[in-house]
Amino acid sequence: DAGVIQSPRHEVTEMGQEVTLRCKPISGHNSLFWYRQTMMRGLELLIYFNNNVPIDDSGMPEDRFSAKMPNASFSTLKIQPSEPRDSAVYFCASSLNSGGDTQYFGPGTRLTVL
Amino acid sequence: AQTVTQSQPEMSVQEAETVTLSCTYDTSESDYYLFWYKQPPSRQMILVIRQEAYKQQNATENRFSVNFQKAAKSFSLKISDSQLGDAAMYFCAYRSVAGGTSYGKLTFGQGTILTVHP
Repeated sequence: DAGVIQSPRHEVTEMGQEVTLRCKPISGHNSLFWYRQTMMRGLELLIYFNNNVPIDDSGMPEDRFSAKMPNASFSTLKIQPSEPRDSAVYFCASSLNSGGDTQYFGPGTRLTVL
Repeated sequence: AQTVTQSQPEMSVQEAETVTLSCTYDTSESDYYLFWYKQPPSRQMILVIRQEAYKQQNATENRFSVNFQKAAKSFSLKISDSQLGDAAMYFCAYRSVAGGTSYGKLTFGQGTILTVHP
């Protein structure tokens, strides 16, 4: 299995630009999670989907952030407009279901907003 | 809301020795899952070990084992015969299986940086 795939691995953009992060979960997994990792706040859950439906987006920082999961094999996290404080590593993870099953993480996208 | 605390920002160990990383958590739930993840410099989050709260037996995975004390809400990770490749940031995580929007969410501790000396 290829594991969770994220793209791009690195993204450098300028303040005000739109950023789109992409994730392909492990085939057969029906839960998908977006996390953000920063030095100040550690690892925090932004949003998660179960069967392509957003279940909890309370971690999304503000309206500039949006996430979609149009089908079982693809999700996006979009930031528009981006700000320097959005600089972080963004992880996508998937699990077989949203209960106690292990979450498997992608390699992350390191985002730098100048 | 659940909280996870790792009180050791940094730990070090000599190669081949044993080290224990501490983790405590706070919850009112009776059923849940606990995990240890490893994050090496490559930043990939790698599952080390998992424990179901309803199981009294401590989980083990080769050189990695846990000491799960449910009443004390403690979940420490023991690494035996430490290797250079064990050097990484280690995160303790709690996963709720209660209903509602908390279901399935992972709550992470702050992490412990482990250094392995040759």
